[in-house]
Amino acid sequence: EIVLTQSPATLSLSPGERATLSCRASQNIGTFLAWYQHKPGHAPRLLIYDATIRATGIPARFSGSGSGTDFTLTISSLEPEDFAVYYCQQRGDWPPYTFGQGTKLEIK
Amino acid sequence: EVKLVESGGGLVQPGQSLRLSCVASGFTFSTFEMHWVRQAPGKGLEWVSYISARGDIKYYPDSVKGRFTISRDNAKNSLSLQMDSLRAEDTAIYYCAREGLTSELDHWGQGTLVTVSS
Repeated sequence: EIVLTQSPATLSLSPGERATLSCRASQNIGTFLAWYQHKPGHAPRLLIYDATIRATGIPARFSGSGSGTDFTLTISSLEPEDFAVYYCQQRGDWPPYTFGQGTKLEIK
Repeated sequence: EVKLVESGGGLVQPGQSLRLSCVASGFTFSTFEMHWVRQAPGKGLEWVSYISARGDIKYYPDSVKGRFTISRDNAKNSLSLQMDSLRAEDTAIYYCAREGLTSELDHWGQGTLVTVSS
């Protein structure tokens, strides 16, 4: 089973700052990685798939990079609505589908 | 507009059963693979089950294998999760999710809360 490790667990930033979230896979998964945003009381929202492709309707300030075992989600300039929990998820070797443990992006 | 609406959650005692449903609209349900994903209180997302578009292939993680059964009725645009022998650790919000063309989970429902407690 592929394990995804996200860092940091919590990231405290201010609106307008740049956010960099990391996801490391325990084995090579190519570019088979997705990123999701999750706010309490809401459905999770797909942001990025295949490591770098923005999902429909996702603002350009969200970008994904990486391949193999190391991946990054970058939010270029934080908006107030971006503060949430972010998860990475792999489909490089499944089942099982696996998610990272999440990074909480909070307002500083 | 793609819409997924879950129902069937509630409070049950350990060892009891519960059946969750998810009704889909806004897309051709019979051509998409579907999943259930859960989030326990204070925890992250955990994948719970997968079903192919035709319903002939199903997968589960070890944590629910043998206790949970996923199924679908393409004529009714409906996805189900039969949960038996429930445990306290099954307490969570359960989401149904559609698998997109490149295997990402591109649409999710709002979730239904399952609480297992005596």
